[in-house]
Amino acid sequence: NAGVTQTPKFQVLKTGQSMTLQCAQDMNHEYMSWYRQDPGMGLRLIHYSVGAGITDQGEVPNGYNVSRSTTEDFPLRLLSAAPSQTSVYFCASGGFGGAFFGQGTRLTVV
Amino acid sequence: KQEVTQIPAALSVPEGENLVLNCSFTDSAIYNLQWFRQDPGKGLTSLLLIQSSQREQTSGRLNASLDKSSGRSTLYIAASQPGDSATYLCAVRDLNSNSGYALNFGKGTSLLVTP
Repeated sequence: NAGVTQTPKFQVLKTGQSMTLQCAQDMNHEYMSWYRQDPGMGLRLIHYSVGAGITDQGEVPNGYNVSRSTTEDFPLRLLSAAPSQTSVYFCASGGFGGAFFGQGTRLTVV
Repeated sequence: KQEVTQIPAALSVPEGENLVLNCSFTDSAIYNLQWFRQDPGKGLTSLLLIQSSQREQTSGRLNASLDKSSGRSTLYIAASQPGDSATYLCAVRDLNSNSGYALNFGKGTSLLVTP
């Protein structure tokens, strides 16, 4: 049982580049979310989904897009990377047993 | 907006001590509260989940309590070990949230257990 799997683990981007952070869960959870974690700021919600085809914005959505075509997958897209998006990104899924997190993607934008 | 506060921000104890980590939240209308552990450079590992109707949960040397009316939770770690060194995060899921399974996190308590 893999739980929540995120790829890649590390990424360096140049300003203006785009990329997609992948997230997959095998627990059949309807709820999935993306967070970013920054020193002194804690974890903040970027986007969330309550089921396939349904997504919405969280606390800090600007510069990010999401889609949810299947229950399992919830990719996060950076449209045009900026240095302010340097952070650690976590994907999570939630169900009756609580929330479960992936191992994170450490992104640096130069 | 739900505000979650964890005190202390950092804690250093000698091995073998029992210790308590504190979490407070401003809105008592919660669905559940979850404690996580985060090792440096790693993801979040779930330790204990307390539903709003529960008062405490136990797993091994860990015991978490919930007092919804006062907006407080504590994580008790018995007989601490160096391997317990990590950051401990408290997260609250609001009852009336329209943000799916969104969690409100505290900023964590960084625990160091010295041999």
